[in-house]
Amino acid sequence: QVTLRESGPALVKPTQTLTLTCTFSGFSLSTSDMCVSWIRQPPGKALEWLARIDWDDDKYYSASLKTRLTISKDTSKDQVVLTMTNMDLVDTGTYYCARTLASNWKFDHWGQGARVTVSS
Amino acid sequence: DIQMTQSPSSLSASVGDRITITCRASQSISRYLNWYQQKPGEGPELLIYTASYLQSGVPSRFSGSGSGTDFTLTISNLQPEDFATYFCQQTYGSPYNFGQGTKLDIK
Repeated sequence: QVTLRESGPALVKPTQTLTLTCTFSGFSLSTSDMCVSWIRQPPGKALEWLARIDWDDDKYYSASLKTRLTISKDTSKDQVVLTMTNMDLVDTGTYYCARTLASNWKFDHWGQGARVTVSS
Repeated sequence: DIQMTQSPSSLSASVGDRITITCRASQSISRYLNWYQQKPGEGPELLIYTASYLQSGVPSRFSGSGSGTDFTLTISNLQPEDFATYFCQQTYGSPYNFGQGTKLDIK
C-alpha cells in the first residue's frame, strides 16, 4: 500500500525559508520510474506543480519558482525534502507531495497535504 | 506555458445523472492529460491518465476522451460519493499546469 505524508511548519514569516518533508512508504525511490513531485494549492485556487525528483536523482522545477526551490531525497529514510526560500504572503496554501511515474507522468498517489500560512 | 481551461467551473446534478466536464489546452498536448477528483480536506485522487486510461481501482462509470486540445471527463450514473471537485492536468511540458477545477454538487 502506497502512502505519502507531508510535514512541516504550519506558520512561517515573510522572507523565511520553508522546509517541507514528504515521508512515504510502499515504494522505493531507488526503483526505476519512481519519482516524487510537490504541488501546492492556494486557498480556493488551482493546483500548481512545483518540482519533481526522480529515482536517478534528476530534478525538475517550475520555471517561475526555480530560483527559490530545492528538492532532495534521502532514499534510506524514504523521504523527499522541499525547501522554498524567501516566503511571501502569496505562498500561503496547502502543499502536497505525490508519487509520480516517469514513464507516463501519472501522479497516482497523493498525501493529504500540509497547510502553510505565511504571516508576520 | 500551456494554459488549461475547464468548463463549467461549477455544475449541479442528481444521483443517477450523466455529466461531462470539458478541458481545453492552449496548444496541442497530444494525449498527455490526466483527470483528478478532490474532496474537501483530502489530496487529489487520479481518475484518468493519458486522456482515456482508467486508473486501477477507479469505477468504470468514469471515462475520458480527447486528444490535441480538447478533452472530456464523463461520469455516468452519478453516485453520492462523486460529488467533489475535478481537475485536469497536462503532462506534455513543464510547467505541468492544472485546470482551475469544476465543482460538482448535488442538485
